[in-house]
Amino acid sequence: KQEVTQIPAALSVPEGENLVLNCSFTDSAIYNLQWFRQDPGKGLTSLLLIQSSQREQTSGRLNASLDKSSGRSTLYIAASQPGDSATYLCAVTTGRRALTFGSGTRLQVQP
Amino acid sequence: EPEVTQTPSHQVTQMGQEVILRCVPISNHLYFYWYRQILGQKVEFLVSFYNNEISEKSEIFDDQFSVERPDGSNFTLKIRSTKLEDSAMYFCASQVYTYEQYFGPGTRLTVT
Repeated sequence: KQEVTQIPAALSVPEGENLVLNCSFTDSAIYNLQWFRQDPGKGLTSLLLIQSSQREQTSGRLNASLDKSSGRSTLYIAASQPGDSATYLCAVTTGRRALTFGSGTRLQVQP
Repeated sequence: EPEVTQTPSHQVTQMGQEVILRCVPISNHLYFYWYRQILGQKVEFLVSFYNNEISEKSEIFDDQFSVERPDGSNFTLKIRSTKLEDSAMYFCASQVYTYEQYFGPGTRLTVT
């Protein structure tokens, strides 16, 4: 059974800092890995999708990498802003289409 | 930009009552999903739906749950007899082929 772990559980940084969020998964036979942002009491906003054949994806200040063989992904956020404060979720698909989610990293960017 | 919509945003119901949660997926999407998130816990998969039938379901999705696509736009989740432990945020998602899943804003279900 696929398990997804995210470290750290919470992170507080000053504005402007570059930061890295980590995601690991136990079954390396994934099809896709997707990063989401969740604001308190709100839905999930898709940030980046990495397909299993890809090593990384970039969108603006966000860069996600995937190392399938070691079961790891990182989300790099450059020049963090207070508006980046949210919970970041990592999720994978294995074989079937259902996403398996991690518990998330709660990010607070201090102005 | 097209988005997934869900109604209602908040539903309060008494234990044992039936509830129907509604979703309008993005119009050209083919795969539809329901997930739930109990407060403070991970987002969990419930069911996926393709070509007018269930393609996958989790252990959570027992006989109390059902899904339907009654017309070309709506996608519903019905809980026949709600329990206290059904209280959660329910998210609908839709997808084209193997690309990103797009999530709706969720329906907060409170069972009293």
